[in-house]
Formats: sequence, C-alpha cells, structure tokens
Amino acid sequence: GAVVSQHPSRVICKSGTSVKIECRSLDFQATTMFWYRQFPKQSLMLMATSNEGSKATYEQGVEKDKFLINHASLTLSTLTVTSAHPEDSSFYICSAAGGAADTQYFGPGTRLTVL
Amino acid sequence: KQEVTQIPAALSVPEGENLVLNCSFTDSAIYNLQWFRQDPGKGLTSLLLIQSSQREQTSGRLNASLDKSSGRSTLYIAASQPGDSATYLCAVEVNAGKSTFGDGTTLTVKP
Repeated sequence: GAVVSQHPSRVICKSGTSVKIECRSLDFQATTMFWYRQFPKQSLMLMATSNEGSKATYEQGVEKDKFLINHASLTLSTLTVTSAHPEDSSFYICSAAGGAADTQYFGPGTRLTVL
Repeated sequence: KQEVTQIPAALSVPEGENLVLNCSFTDSAIYNLQWFRQDPGKGLTSLLLIQSSQREQTSGRLNASLDKSSGRSTLYIAASQPGDSATYLCAVEVNAGKSTFGDGTTLTVKP
C-alpha cells in the first residue's frame, strides 16, 4: 500500500515557540491531505483538509491562525503550531489521498509535548 | 453527521480466546472502513481496509466484516495473544474523503 511519513515522530518544545510537523506521501501524489488531532483517551478528530495549492479548510473550533497548514506540493503538507501552549500537547496525525474521493493513507503520527 | 461508536470500550480476555470488536456508524453512505491498532504513545497501524463494495477482509488472525446496510463492522481476532493488547480504532471514510473515528476499544490479553 501507499506510504505516508511524518516528521518528527516526537517533539518537545517550550511554551510560546512554534513547531512544524511535516507529512509526506512517499510513493504517490496526494492531492488532498488531512490533519487530525488526538487528545489522551479520546478519538482522533479532523482538524483541517488541505488541497494542493489552495488554502486549507478548517473544521469548526479549530483556529486557523494557530494551526497553519501549507500544502505546497503534491507530496508534502506541513502543520505549524504557532505559539504553542501546554493545552496544544497532543498527538497529530496526517493522512493523504490521491483525490478527495480516494482512500486515505495515514501517517504514523507526531507526539507534541509543550512544556 | 456521521457518528461512529465502538463497543465495548474496554475488553480483557485470557490468552488464546477468540474475540469480536464492534463498530457501528450512523450513515451508510461510506467510501470505506478501516480498522487500526494504536499502541500506547504510538501512531496508528492500519490493520484492514474494507471498501464499500466489499463485505470482509482477512489478514492472518484478523477478519473484518462490513454490513453497510445495517451500519456495522466487526473485527474478529482469533487465538488472541498478549501482543494483541492495544487500542483498536475503526474509522469510516465518507465520500468527501474525510474519516470519522470511533473512540476505540482497549484490548488487554492476559497471559
């Protein structure tokens, strides 16, 4: 199956700093990428949908100015958590699809801890 | 709005038992359904993917079934092992490409 990677797998940062998480589709072109967040003992929740070359669509309750998403190429999307705070500590997972109606392939996730 | 429910929330079984995890969803207009495994502090591992036109998928000791009309899927694990202990998530992908996840079933297999 298709492979999606995320980098870094774990990151610890100080409150107030910004953190960038990369999501790459390694062997296919991902027109659409999705970002999810999972708080402890909760299920994954969709944060935003991004299509290559256009602005991301954010789910209700997700601050677009805090979670900056860039999908500049067909194989790379980035999520930047700006001015991170301890409440942003979470597990962030991306998925990628060849098209909006195609099967999603999930990355392994990134564990963010904000001190 | 699609809602995904997994029952039970937690399950503890002795080693060697066969077990069934359940997943139900409210909107049958799905693109596919995936079962994932998540170990504590780790990412997702995709176990089985069932397309909407399929009724089941098998991989080793795992078998997943899908009944779209009733909005149900089951994950059957045969001859459970301690290494199977993890949280199992089901996710339903709607035609728009978005996935809705259940809250998961935490499985503990005791030696």
